[in-house]
Amino acid sequence: AIQLTQSPSSLSASVGDRVTITCRASQGISTILAWYQQKPGKAPKLLIYDASTLENGVPSRFSGSGSGTDFTLTISSLQPEDFATYYCQQFNSYPITFGQGTRLEIK
Amino acid sequence: EVQLLESGGGLVQRGGSLRLSCAASGFTFSTYAMSWVRQAPGKGLEWVASISGSGGSTYYTDSVKGRFTISRDNSKNTLYVQMNSLRAEDTAVYYCSKGGYGYCSDTGCARVEDYWGQGTLVTVSS
Repeated sequence: AIQLTQSPSSLSASVGDRVTITCRASQGISTILAWYQQKPGKAPKLLIYDASTLENGVPSRFSGSGSGTDFTLTISSLQPEDFATYYCQQFNSYPITFGQGTRLEIK
Repeated sequence: EVQLLESGGGLVQRGGSLRLSCAASGFTFSTYAMSWVRQAPGKGLEWVASISGSGGSTYYTDSVKGRFTISRDNSKNTLYVQMNSLRAEDTAVYYCSKGGYGYCSDTGCARVEDYWGQGTLVTVSS
């Protein structure tokens, strides 16, 4: 199975900050990667798929990049509603796998 | 509006069985792959199983193969997972999800989860 390793595991930042989360795959997956946001007690929400394509309705401050084994999720200017846990997911091959998550907290 | 409503969760003894259901509405159910994703208390997301729109193809994570069966009834717009031989480590919130953008490889066609239900909690007591 393809393993995904996210870094950092947790991150403290302030409103207005630019934040980058990375996801590294154990083998090349082209751009077949998605990012999700999950708030406490809620279901995850799809943000980005195909490494850089923004899902409908997702604010443009979110962006994704990367291919092969290294990927990034960037939030250009943090808003209060962005404090959550973020997961990457590969759907290049079964079994589908998720990263362990990055918890983004308010500084 | 896409809606996914899970039911069937609860407390079950180790070795027992449970069937979860997910009632779907707001889209042409039979056209889309569907999945179950779980989250143990305080832990991350774990993909469990997926099924194609026709039901003809199914995929499982290794830890549930032979114990869980994903199925669907397209006439009822409902997704199921039959869970047998339950273990303590199966304790989790189980989410039903709709398949969106996908990619096909030699292992099958996998998709992102573009809509999720609210989840149903399964607790396996030891």
